[in-house]
Amino acid sequence: DAGVIQSPRHEVTEMGQEVTLRCKPISGHDYLFWYRQTMMRGLELLIYFNNNVPIDDSGMPEDRFSAKMPNASFSTLKIQPSEPRDSAVYFCASSRRGGPYEQYFGPGTRLTVT
Amino acid sequence: AQRVTQPEKLLSVFKGAPVELKCNYSYSGSPELFWYVQYSRQRLQLLLRHISRESIKGFTADLNKGETSFHLKKPFAQEEDSAMYYCNVTDSWGKLQFGAGTQVVVTP
Repeated sequence: DAGVIQSPRHEVTEMGQEVTLRCKPISGHDYLFWYRQTMMRGLELLIYFNNNVPIDDSGMPEDRFSAKMPNASFSTLKIQPSEPRDSAVYFCASSRRGGPYEQYFGPGTRLTVT
Repeated sequence: AQRVTQPEKLLSVFKGAPVELKCNYSYSGSPELFWYVQYSRQRLQLLLRHISRESIKGFTADLNKGETSFHLKKPFAQEEDSAMYYCNVTDSWGKLQFGAGTQVVVTP
């Protein structure tokens, strides 16, 4: 298994543009998580899904952010319009079950908004 | 409010010296606690979990419910321990939170 796959690995875009980050969880994992990592705030949970349904999106910073999971093997995190303060590394993680179980992280997408 | 605190952003130690990363939490119920590690240019990965009571790569972490702490310790730091460490707390309903992280730098 290749583990959690994220694309692109790096994204550079201009302020105001739409950005779409993609994630493929490990097959058989029912939970998918999106995180944002910055120097100032560390690792923040943005949203997580169970069986493709969003369970908790309280970490999504504002309406410019949206996430979908159309099927068990694919999820997207979209930022529209993007702003320089959105620059961060975005991680996707999946776990076999919810609660206190190990999460498997993807390599992350480094987003730079100029 | 649920909170996970890692008070040190950066911890610099010499090789062979003991290292301790602090983690304090404020949670209701009986949460589960984990330490995750991110080595340079690698994915974030699980280091250890408190329910396993295991030692991984020489690291141990003791859950102190009275002090609501879950500090990570290693008696003799190695250069390969240089990494970012995150404390994670998950409650019974699956709500989870990571601390802000501690960057460990082990110098020879």
